Amino acid sequence: DTVLTQSPALAVSPGERVSISCRASEGVNSYMHWYQQKPGQQPKLLIYKASNLASGVPARFSGSGSGTDFTLTIDPVEADDTATYFCQQSWNDPRTFGGGTKLELK
Amino acid sequence: QVQLKESGPGLVQPSQTLSLTCTVSGFSLTSYNVHWVRQPPGKGLEWMGRMRYNGDTSYNSALKSRLSISRDTSKNQVFLKMNSLQTDDTGTYYCTRDYNYGYKRDWFAYWGQGTLVTVSS
Repeated sequence: DTVLTQSPALAVSPGERVSISCRASEGVNSYMHWYQQKPGQQPKLLIYKASNLASGVPARFSGSGSGTDFTLTIDPVEADDTATYFCQQSWNDPRTFGGGTKLELK
Repeated sequence: QVQLKESGPGLVQPSQTLSLTCTVSGFSLTSYNVHWVRQPPGKGLEWMGRMRYNGDTSYNSALKSRLSISRDTSKNQVFLKMNSLQTDDTGTYYCTRDYNYGYKRDWFAYWGQGTLVTVSS
């Protein structure tokens, strides 16, 4: 299975720019997607196919990468962005998720 | 609009079988793939398996021997059954739908609210 590796946690101040990384153990083309999950809620799609913004998602969120290295960027970060962010690939079967990056605001 | 809602028992005894239902609305099960994803408390997400639009199923190899996914298209429902439950099967179980019609490499665009399952005696 394709293993996706994310840093466990990040802390940033409101108004700053933050980049959350996801590295795949094998190539996934551009089929990397990003989700935001707030406590007690279901995951919400943010970015699909590496760089495409999902409907209704603020333009502060953006994605980049291809192959094995991907990045979710939030610029500027707002207080409401406190959440855990998961990457997920769908190029290789089975679909797999990263362990999640918990974003905290200072 | 597209909606998915999970239902089932909140508590299951160890070694017993878990049965969950995902009731969908706003789309047809014969057009879109529906998946089950679970999340242990405070941990990450695990893809469990999927019901494809054409009725085919596939499963996470780690769960395949214990897991079965089926559907009733007339009732707009997808079912999950998993046997031999243990305490590490405790978690929130989600059903989720792909964005595109019948596409194998799609992404999870719509999610149910999830249902918490606790495995305990």
